[in-house]
Amino acid sequence: EVQLVESGGGLVQPGASLKLSCVASGFTFSDYWMSWVRQTPGKTMEWIGDIKYDGSYTNYAPSLKNRFTISRDNAKSTLYLQMSNVRSEDTATYYCTRHNYGVMDAWGQGASVTVSS
Amino acid sequence: DTVLTQSPALAVSLGQRVTISCRASKSVSTYMHWYQQKSGQQPKLLIYSASNLESGVPSRFSGSGSGTDFTLTIDPVEADDIANYYCQQSNELPLTFGSGTKLEIK
Repeated sequence: EVQLVESGGGLVQPGASLKLSCVASGFTFSDYWMSWVRQTPGKTMEWIGDIKYDGSYTNYAPSLKNRFTISRDNAKSTLYLQMSNVRSEDTATYYCTRHNYGVMDAWGQGASVTVSS
Repeated sequence: DTVLTQSPALAVSLGQRVTISCRASKSVSTYMHWYQQKSGQQPKLLIYSASNLESGVPSRFSGSGSGTDFTLTIDPVEADDIANYYCQQSNELPLTFGSGTKLEIK
């Protein structure tokens, strides 16, 4: 069974940094592109970016490219999202997804991030 | 960016047929996918590439369309189908989602 489990969410102050992790199991992690998607409290879904199966290439939503960094460790079957200089509008649930030619065919349960002082 | 427009909500009677629409601001060919999100859960893939049913998804779900106009059809609607439905395009980056359609029971 494909499983994606996010961790690292919580309450963070504006301007701080936060790193989310996503541990994958049930499939060969190193064979797949992976993505991060976030959902705001108002239910808007936003693609953050993705990373190639070997970690050699990344794509980002232009509005987030300068503050968010996606990486992976295939030996640990783990995907990461480094968030810097967070703002109140970054408050959302962050989902790790398996990405198959643009189709997100598996999703984690999500990690909640609240940015507030 | 490709903007995807969905109706905010639809009300349907159990056992009836419902179509949920998604309109793209530019052609996405058939690179359109549909997800179901039940309350408190993560999204789940239903349909990929406009009309292909994901494995394990009931056959009462179907998708159609190409270019800019797409539909997700549920026939017949069951109580378990109460959820938000999102379309998503992968024709170009950035990948974008529709705002979602909330399916309600009359």
